[in-house]
Amino acid sequence: NAGVTQTPKFQVLKTGQSMTLQCAQDMNHNSMYWYRQDPGMGLRLIYYSASEGTTDKGEVPNGYNVSRLNKREFSLRLESAAPSQTSVYFCASLEGMNTEAFFGQGTRLTVV
Amino acid sequence: EDQVTQSPEALRLQEGESSSLNCSYTVSGLRGLFWYRQDPGKGPEFLFTLYSAGEEKEKERLKATLTKKESFLHITAPKPEDSATYLCAWLSGGYQKVTFGIGTKLQVIP
Repeated sequence: NAGVTQTPKFQVLKTGQSMTLQCAQDMNHNSMYWYRQDPGMGLRLIYYSASEGTTDKGEVPNGYNVSRLNKREFSLRLESAAPSQTSVYFCASLEGMNTEAFFGQGTRLTVV
Repeated sequence: EDQVTQSPEALRLQEGESSSLNCSYTVSGLRGLFWYRQDPGKGPEFLFTLYSAGEEKEKERLKATLTKKESFLHITAPKPEDSATYLCAWLSGGYQKVTFGIGTKLQVIP
């Protein structure tokens, strides 16, 4: 049982490049989330998807887009990367009402 | 506006020295409060969920409690392996939105 899998684990981008962070969960969870984590800022919600076919903005959505491809997969796209997007990105999924979220191991992204 | 504050930001304890971490909140429509542990370079790991004031949960040396305004994570006789960042998070609204506090970085010295 893999849980939540994120790819890639590490990535270096040049300013202006685009990329997609992939996330897949095998727990049949309805809700999925993308967070970024920066020193002194904690985990900040970028986008979330309460169920297949729906997405909503979190605290810091600017510069990102998401796709809930199916129930298992939730991708995060950076169309034109900026140094301010250097961060560790975490994907999470949640089973249903009032239950805990399970996290992937993170993607460490550096934009130079 | 929903707000959650964790304190202290950092805590250094001697092995065996019990203490408490605090998560105070003003969240409308709170449906659940979570505690997570995060080790360096890893994703957060779930510890507890609390749903209503007065609720308590325990796991090994950790005990989480919830009042109407705050939650505490009590650590009894901590060991060096308890060193980590402890995060509280809350579930609110009708759309499964989970928001995290900044965390408390705990260091337990042998």
